[in-house]
Order: sequence, then C-alpha cells, then structure tokens
Amino acid sequence: QVQLVHSGAEVMKPGSSVRISCKTFGATLGSNVLSWVRQAPGQGLEWMGRIIPFLGAENYSQNFRGRVTITADESTNTAYLELSNLRSDDTAIYYCAMGYAFDVWGQGTMVTVSS
Amino acid sequence: QSVLTQPPSASGTPGQRVTISCSGANSNIGGENTVNWYQHLPGTAPRLLIYDNNKRPSGVPDRFSGSKSGTSASLAISGLQSEDEADYYCASWYDSVNGWVFGGGTKLTVL
Repeated sequence: QVQLVHSGAEVMKPGSSVRISCKTFGATLGSNVLSWVRQAPGQGLEWMGRIIPFLGAENYSQNFRGRVTITADESTNTAYLELSNLRSDDTAIYYCAMGYAFDVWGQGTMVTVSS
Repeated sequence: QSVLTQPPSASGTPGQRVTISCSGANSNIGGENTVNWYQHLPGTAPRLLIYDNNKRPSGVPDRFSGSKSGTSASLAISGLQSEDEADYYCASWYDSVNGWVFGGGTKLTVL
C-alpha cells in the first residue's frame, strides 16, 4: 500500500521561501511521477508542477514559473517543493500526489503566509 | 476562471443518479488527452475516482462512471449515498501550457 507522508505545517513571512517534503512509502519515488497540487482557502485544486525522476524531467505550471522548484531525493524516497517570494495568496494546503493520474495523495501540508 | 468548466454545485436525493459535467477545449480534453476525476472531502486527501476517461481504480465502487465526448467529459454517480457528499474535480493535460489543469470543482449535496 502506497503512502505519502508530508512534513508539518509552516508559518512564513511574505517574501520568504518555504521548502516542504513528501516521503513515499510502499513505492519507489525514482520509478514514479510525483506532482504537487495546492488548494487555497475556499478555492479549488491547482496543479503546480511535477517531477519524473526516471526521465530526469520536470514540468511547472506557468502560474508559478520562476518561483517553484521540485526536487527528488531517490535515496530517501522524498520529494521536495520549494516556493519562493511568498505572498499572502500562497496560503494554502499543499498536496503531493504520485502517479500519472495522481493515483495516490498525501494528507497535505498547510502553509500560512502572514506578516 | 478555470480552463475546465464545471458547474459549481449539484444535488440529488439518496438512490438517485447525478451527473457532473466538465467542459474544455481541443488542446486539453479534446484530441488525445484523457480526463481524470477526483473526490475531495475537506480536510482529507483527494481521491482518484476515474482515470483515462472511464477507468476505475481498484476499490472505487462501480456506482461511479466516467465518459468523454469531444471536448467534454462527465462523471455519473448512480445510487447516490450520503457519503458521496463531497467536492468533485475533473483534470486533463493541457497541451498549450504543457501542464495539468483542473476544473473549478463541483460541490455535490445529498439532500
């Protein structure tokens, strides 16, 4: 059974950067696609980007280009999302999802951006 | 404004059949791209319901079905149950931006 376990909630200042993690259990990160999707309060789901370690490829949503970086540490089966130049509207729950069809999701990490 | 258009709300009574639509364009739902559907209860992880337009992952009841025609797709839920009350999202690859896009979501209420 595949499980994705997120790092804990973060409270950040505007203009700072945040790095959150997603550790996979029951599946090899290097053999899968790992995406990040967020949901702001009262809003819908928004795809941010993905990493495909076995292809050495990354895709990012144009909405975040330049501010988001997704990396994967295959030795620890952990994926990371780094979002820079944080704004108040980046306050959201950030989910990782594994598989081309987002087959399995983690429980999410709450990131709050507030001065 | 989402690239994929869903009705903001839908409702039905227990036992009824409900459909949720997802409208897109040639460069996303149309052509070779497929549609996935997700169920999301607030405070929980979203759940894959339908992938590749009409396939169900193991564990998803056959009350849930999906279809696609041209640039639109639909999710049908038959034998509606109270636990089906949730938000439902469609998603498709969008060639023009080389990325995934979601619909705005449909809040399903079981009356």
